[in-house]
Amino acid sequence: DIQMTQSPSSLSASIGDTVTITCRASQSISSYLNWYQQRPGRAPKFLVYDASNLQSGVPSRFSGSGFGTDFTLTISGLQPEDFATYYCQQAYTLVTFGPGTKLDIK
Amino acid sequence: QISLKESGPTLVKPTQTLTLTCTFSGFSLNTPGVGVGWIRQPPGQALEWLAVFYWDGDIRYNPALRSRLTLTKDTAGNQVVLTMTNVGPVDTATYYCARDESLGKYWFDYWGQGTLVTVSS
Repeated sequence: DIQMTQSPSSLSASIGDTVTITCRASQSISSYLNWYQQRPGRAPKFLVYDASNLQSGVPSRFSGSGFGTDFTLTISGLQPEDFATYYCQQAYTLVTFGPGTKLDIK
Repeated sequence: QISLKESGPTLVKPTQTLTLTCTFSGFSLNTPGVGVGWIRQPPGQALEWLAVFYWDGDIRYNPALRSRLTLTKDTAGNQVVLTMTNVGPVDTATYYCARDESLGKYWFDYWGQGTLVTVSS
């Protein structure tokens, strides 16, 4: 089984800040890495596929990168609606989600 | 437009079988590469993938839950049914269904609103 970890587990930031969330896979997953955003009480929203491709309609302040075992999601210029929990998901061997990173307002 | 909606019981007793239905519209499970998956989320916890039903009848299951899960598609073609046997309190979660149109790359672009299932006697 492929295990996913995320760091930090939570972070606080201010409007306008740039933040980076890291996701690590227990083995190489090539670029089979997706990202989701989940606001409280809502279903997850699909953000990034294949590590670095923005889903249609996702603001360009979101960007993803990485290959192999280490991946990042960067949000440049935080907006109020960005405060949420972010999950990475590997798709190399079936599906595993990371534990999530909660981003809240400082 | 694309929509998915989960339906089923909100309360199930331990050892019972849970049956949830995902009713979708705006896309077809006959389209090559398309699938409908199930993902759950215990209260305050992370997402856990359960299974996905693909356009060609291929079904993939989470190995950790395989023995308890069954996915089927209704004959009308716009519903996918998840059956989970022998439920326990740890199965208390919000259950989501979602579309996978990734041609086998397992990403979920549209999600239902979720349905909270509580397992309790």
